[in-house]
Amino acid sequence: GEDVEQSLFLSVREGDSSVINCTYTDSSSTYLYWYKQEPGAGLQLLTYIFSNMDMKQDQRLTVLLNKKDKHLSLRIADTQTGDSAIYFCAETANRDDKIIFGKGTRLHILP
Amino acid sequence: DARVTQTPRHKVTEMGQEVTMRCQPILGHNTVFWYRQTMMQGLELLAYFRNRAPLDDSGMPKDRFSAEMPDATLATLKIQPSEPRDSAVYFCASKRLNTEAFFGQGTRLTVV
Repeated sequence: GEDVEQSLFLSVREGDSSVINCTYTDSSSTYLYWYKQEPGAGLQLLTYIFSNMDMKQDQRLTVLLNKKDKHLSLRIADTQTGDSAIYFCAETANRDDKIIFGKGTRLHILP
Repeated sequence: DARVTQTPRHKVTEMGQEVTMRCQPILGHNTVFWYRQTMMQGLELLAYFRNRAPLDDSGMPKDRFSAEMPDATLATLKIQPSEPRDSAVYFCASKRLNTEAFFGQGTRLTVV
């Protein structure tokens, strides 16, 4: 079945880069997403990547996809205090279009 | 500004009571998901619908949970009878085919 794994916690100093990693099992995944959840709020889409791409850059965000290893990463450059949140990796496949989420990585920013 | 609307935002109820959570998906979105979020389990997919038809509700305890879409503008999730272990945040999300999902703000349920 489908499964998405990610580490639960990451601490980064303000101004450094944050790298959040994720692995998934479904080789037929077509879209891979990164969502951000701030306290008391729902999930907001940060960025996504098609499975036929290996990199996508959007301002401070860089997504890398290694389809062979089923590994996805999100790099946040120049991490700010406002980046403190839970980041969810998710995948979906064409065959059913349901979205499966990892447990989320809580990003903590050190001063 | 299109958004997914969930009501109520917070619900405190006694064990054994019926709980109904409602979701208004974004107009034009034909797929609706219900997720449950807890610290221990993360985000669990409970059920989802496409064009109002249930596609998968295998994540939902069938004896007490039920999910329906009476029409395209309303999805409901009911728990009867509720138990303390049902305490969680319940999220609704909607999407069109092959696009990202948009989430509501969630219903925080506490069963005492």
